Amino acid sequence: QSALTQPASVSGSPGRSITISCTGTTSDIGGHDYVSWYQQHPGKVPKLMIYDVSKRPSGVSDRFSGYKSGNTASLTISGLQAEDEADYFCSSYSTSNTLLLFGGGTKLTVL
Amino acid sequence: QVQLVQSGAEVKKPGSSVKVPCKASGGTFNTYPIAWVRQAPGQGLEWMGGIIPIIGVPTYAQNLQGRVTITADKSTSTAYMELSSLTSDDTAVYYCATREVPAGMFWVMDVWGQGTTVIVSS
Repeated sequence: QSALTQPASVSGSPGRSITISCTGTTSDIGGHDYVSWYQQHPGKVPKLMIYDVSKRPSGVSDRFSGYKSGNTASLTISGLQAEDEADYFCSSYSTSNTLLLFGGGTKLTVL
Repeated sequence: QVQLVQSGAEVKKPGSSVKVPCKASGGTFNTYPIAWVRQAPGQGLEWMGGIIPIIGVPTYAQNLQGRVTITADKSTSTAYMELSSLTSDDTAVYYCATREVPAGMFWVMDVWGQGTTVIVSS
């Protein structure tokens, strides 16, 4: 069981928007603005999509956006494209004995 | 831009240890936080720990304390992750990764090695 909770799967049609949630506690997501999101295609290396809750690395499409409210962070992908189909993982800094926690991952299917 | 290169796959016996290297090039190795993340087959990502070479003091995930050792050799710009007392549960792809984005904390990973597959089998 992962420390951060994500839905196992989400799906959406091309051109629509989806949101993936990531729920933690006040020791991690709720206590700091250090949430990141990673995209991973099958057999590939993870790719950073969002850091510090809502910042995008250079080269990441502005269709990807991040948000946090309380102990829950969210990743929204707008204008869904086939290439967005992948696994998405959230992570957060934590004041527990493990400094970085990951969510269990969410499989995004583009219908 | 920094690049991280890892070694090839390894097959280990239960109870043994594995030491995975991660060589950095194209950047200032000493100042990059090097994280180790593993992914078991069909599973999610797990942060194992990390080190900032210029500081030299590693930090570890609680569930791996006592079994994992992360070091950095500044003379060769190479970080190492050693995992001992291997079991089949340690079968995974092991990634090293670092941060170039100006994030607010160390453990944000936007540059990744290609991964090293470690198979633990008798």
